[in-house]
Amino acid sequence: DSGVTQTPKHLITATGQRVTLRCSPRSGDLSVYWYQQSLDQGLQFLIQYYNGEERAKGNILERFSAQQFPDLHSELNLSSLELGDSALYFCASSVSGGAADTQYFGPGTRLTVL
Amino acid sequence: AQSVTQLDSQVPVFEEAPVELRCNYSSSVSVYLFWYVQYPNQGLQLLLKYLSGSTLVESINGFEAEFNKSQTSFHLRKPSVHISDTAEYFCAVSEVGGSYIPTFGRGTSLIVHP
Repeated sequence: DSGVTQTPKHLITATGQRVTLRCSPRSGDLSVYWYQQSLDQGLQFLIQYYNGEERAKGNILERFSAQQFPDLHSELNLSSLELGDSALYFCASSVSGGAADTQYFGPGTRLTVL
Repeated sequence: AQSVTQLDSQVPVFEEAPVELRCNYSSSVSVYLFWYVQYPNQGLQLLLKYLSGSTLVESINGFEAEFNKSQTSFHLRKPSVHISDTAEYFCAVSEVGGSYIPTFGRGTSLIVHP
């Protein structure tokens, strides 16, 4: 158990819909990362937050948005969903968000778009 | 910007045999190097990492990796594998003083046969 929790574990929805994925970091970790994992694209970095502020942005679509709240939990919002958005979405956390940090990954949310 | 190449997408091996999972990286500056493991239906977890100092790093479950600066490699080895080592292994690199975000390789699936 990494100490990072993600809800829900599974999500099945239809094209065009909007969903929210939630992540609670390990106690004491200030930085949160979101990743998308699919068979064809591998593990893709989406976005990083540090202590409530956006710190780095990766291959995140404009239809996707995220935020980190004062209690440090984070949410990833996916809207106008397409079939190609079906993937595993991981949240990870680290102490300071630095390049040398170990990232602790949650168990993931499996999103299926029908 | 850094990049990572994992040369083998799949490595089948028999139980108690040695294994090497290859990882090469590209960067114009000093790097930090990581190996993460993903067991079926789980998130990634750190196996070992190189930050500085001794170029040989070891994990608690018998894996080791050696940082070779001249060959820009960080191959993962284990002298005798177990069935329980069956998993996906990801090499990652981040730049010292650079982006906070590590770049992950595409992963190598280690399949241990009895």
